[in-house]
Amino acid sequence: QVQLQESGPGLVKPSETLSLTCTVSGGSISSGSYFWGWIRQAPGKGLEWVGTVYYSGTTYYNPSLKSRVTITVETSKNQFSLRLTSVTAADTAVYYCATHPRLAQFDYWGQGTLVTVSS
Amino acid sequence: SYVLTQPPSVSVAPGKTARITCGGSNIGSKDVHWYQHRPGQAPVVVISYDSDRPSGIPERFSGSNSGGTATLTISGVEGGDEADYYCQVWDSTSDQVVFGGGTKLTVL
Repeated sequence: QVQLQESGPGLVKPSETLSLTCTVSGGSISSGSYFWGWIRQAPGKGLEWVGTVYYSGTTYYNPSLKSRVTITVETSKNQFSLRLTSVTAADTAVYYCATHPRLAQFDYWGQGTLVTVSS
Repeated sequence: SYVLTQPPSVSVAPGKTARITCGGSNIGSKDVHWYQHRPGQAPVVVISYDSDRPSGIPERFSGSNSGGTATLTISGVEGGDEADYYCQVWDSTSDQVVFGGGTKLTVL
């Protein structure tokens, strides 16, 4: 069974860049079996898709975040990463990584990591 | 952009049936997936591809997608079913994931 674990700073200053990594175990990113996604939930809000990447580097982004988001894969480390630039308090959220097979449902999820944007 | 509409809240007595709806333009042509999200936990997919129940999900959970609305049905509701529920599709027109706004299920 695939397992995912998010890691990265829990506190980011406004206008700076949020960077998170998702480490995958129990499966290989380079196998091509899955797409890999990031989803977030701001306090008191619903789930929001951030973006999805394939092992080849193909990416899909939420249009509302597209100008600030980059998702990359590092197959040698079996990881994929999220960068979100020019953050504001509105980017404060729990960020989840998840498998996204065939661009359908998200079936395996990480436990989530809270990122707070504050000075 | 594509929009999915869910009722903000649904309340049901234990043992009864809860129905959570998800509306969207021509939703019948899309694959709808449903998640249960309890506070402090990662979301769990309870229904995929409109009506498929993943391994480990109780038979009390079922889904349908017809008549312009997708519906998650929970039969014999238990206290442990109290959670937020989200519908989700992949919109191939714009190549993006869309989540509904979520429905808070309260067990009375």
